[in-house]
Amino acid sequence: GAVVSQHPSRVICKSGTSVKIECRSLDFQATTMFWYRQFPKKSLMLMATSNEGSKATYEQGVEKDKFLINHASLTLSTLTVTSAHPEDSSFYICSARQDGDTQYFGPGTRLTVL
Amino acid sequence: AQKVTQAQTEISVVEKEDVTLDCVYETRDTTYYLFWYKQPPSGELVFLIRRNSFDEQNEISGRYSWNFQKSTSSFNFTITASQVVDSAVYFCALMRVNFGNEKLTFGTGTRLTIIP
Repeated sequence: GAVVSQHPSRVICKSGTSVKIECRSLDFQATTMFWYRQFPKKSLMLMATSNEGSKATYEQGVEKDKFLINHASLTLSTLTVTSAHPEDSSFYICSARQDGDTQYFGPGTRLTVL
Repeated sequence: AQKVTQAQTEISVVEKEDVTLDCVYETRDTTYYLFWYKQPPSGELVFLIRRNSFDEQNEISGRYSWNFQKSTSSFNFTITASQVVDSAVYFCALMRVNFGNEKLTFGTGTRLTIIP
């Protein structure tokens, strides 16, 4: 149980384009989903917290207009990187939490912006 | 503010040796959760354990064991008879238990390499 998927696992795009990453909880309903960013050999940095049906709460320093988060259902959240630039290249990981307090993580999406 | 310190950046041990990963945390809360996650080379974070701040019992799961000591604010993780498959980055994390603020604070991780 507690499986979280992410799609795509890898994406390469040109500078200026937008990229959408999906996060799905496969076998449970996630009341809250989280989006993290991880640089090589670094820890995870929380970008935003999203609750189903409401606006995401962004961490300080994270641009809301650049990283659009939608949590349309209890099993799906999406992160859209708008007008991507090379500095947005990173490993993006989502997690999902049901009623309990354990976050279960997706396998991550490696974004490369050329 | 919450803080998690994993002082060991990298550890290498020979297969079958025991290894302990240290985790020290800071919080002013009396109620909180502590976690350990494993991140193998593939990238996904695998949940290992969650510990409530009121439960100081040590826990053993197969070759894994955890030592939670509130007096020293530590939550150490020991792997007994290590195997190559244990090679990964291990993260310790702390979570406050306040409505609307249940975010994880991660340590910087310990990269464990098991040498065959």
